[in-house]
Amino acid sequence: QQQVKQSPQSLIVQKGGISIINCAYENTAFDYFPWYQQFPGKGPALLIAIRPDVSEKKEGRFTISFNKSAKQFSLHIMDSQPGDSATYFCAAFSRLGGNTPLVFGKGTRLSVIA
Amino acid sequence: NAGVTQTPKFQVLKTGQSMTLQCAQDMNHNSMYWYRQDPGMGLRLIYYSASEGTTDKGEVPNGYNVSRLNKREFSLRLESAAPSQTSVYFCASSENYGNTIYFGEGSWLTVV
Repeated sequence: QQQVKQSPQSLIVQKGGISIINCAYENTAFDYFPWYQQFPGKGPALLIAIRPDVSEKKEGRFTISFNKSAKQFSLHIMDSQPGDSATYFCAAFSRLGGNTPLVFGKGTRLSVIA
Repeated sequence: NAGVTQTPKFQVLKTGQSMTLQCAQDMNHNSMYWYRQDPGMGLRLIYYSASEGTTDKGEVPNGYNVSRLNKREFSLRLESAAPSQTSVYFCASSENYGNTIYFGEGSWLTVV
């Protein structure tokens, strides 16, 4: 049972363009939504995260937009660069527990081309 | 600062063989995790240890066992490897259950 649905599976963006990755969830108990970035041959690393009490969080070129009523959140990468080419995972967590502390989407492979 | 260290990095096993993946963290974290990553499947939790002395099953625990040896170390054992266990395995840790998770570099396992 997939609790976090991520789209698209892959994305090709021109250098300087905006990359947008979307995630949707069903469990209203989720209260923490991180995004992880993974380069080939490496482990995922936390990129940016948001809690549902805010609708947007920005760190440099990376912005998370959060729509609590729609149960959706998205990652926007402004001025995308070839160095941003990586796989991105959204995730969700509920402090109420259960047997899955952090649930991941299936990932989006981003390629930024010059 | 090494963070989360996994060994081995690469391993090829024959079906039915056993092996243990080792993981250690030097961040004094209380919680540790084992995930597997397969193409198109994202990251799936195998087992986790919310604190030293406890372990719990995750989403895909079948065919695996874990041991939280001490606060630093959390090992994953395959008792009788199967081709379906061919995957990339990631160990991870967090300060406490629910905090930011930090991943190791991964262990590539092939079962033939």
